[in-house]
Amino acid sequence: DVKVTQSSRYLVKRTGEKVFLECVQDMDHENMFWYRQDPGLGLRLIYFSYDVKMKEKGDIPEGYSVSREKKERFSLILESASTNQTSMYLCASSTNGGTQYFGPGTRLTVL
Amino acid sequence: QKEVEQNSGPLSVPEGAIASLNCTYSDRGSQSFFWYRQYSGKSPELIMSIYSNGDKEDGRFTAQLNKASQYVSLLIRDSQPSDSATYLCAVKRNTGNQFYFGTGTSLTVIP
Repeated sequence: DVKVTQSSRYLVKRTGEKVFLECVQDMDHENMFWYRQDPGLGLRLIYFSYDVKMKEKGDIPEGYSVSREKKERFSLILESASTNQTSMYLCASSTNGGTQYFGPGTRLTVL
Repeated sequence: QKEVEQNSGPLSVPEGAIASLNCTYSDRGSQSFFWYRQYSGKSPELIMSIYSNGDKEDGRFTAQLNKASQYVSLLIRDSQPSDSATYLCAVKRNTGNQFYFGTGTSLTVIP
């Protein structure tokens, strides 16, 4: 079974803090993705990566950065958290041409 | 025009009835189609994938694809209260590994 794990289920941070969200997959997938999900807006792609050290901007990359130093790990970084970044963050991974599998999600609240 | 469109619902059906969920997509070159189920507060989980025109059945679930009409549907037979969730349609183009998600249809199965 594919397993995608995320570092925290719930996270509370203060405005201006630097926030790290980590995602690890154990299936040797080439591709990894970060989404945020908000009511009425659906899943929106922030960044994705198709290889180690490679990254591509998604639809809403502003205010975020990513890091992929190892194939199994993809990190999302909020350089200076703001209240409008309060959301559910979902990580996913896939093989080339394959299905995306999601982690459990991190519900981030920025106060 | 959105890449993937779904009726947001809510859709309510009585227990034991057939629930019909619909999705249209804009890119005629799309090749892979997926249905995910998402319970409240949880991450999306894959129900079915479909790649060829016609029907694909898996237990109580049937996915239907009509590429000429750019239309994908999911039928849930003998609906159960445990099927109450939001159903996300996802589409992958012929090139690249990015998925395009609809905003989801909320289904409630009434006992």
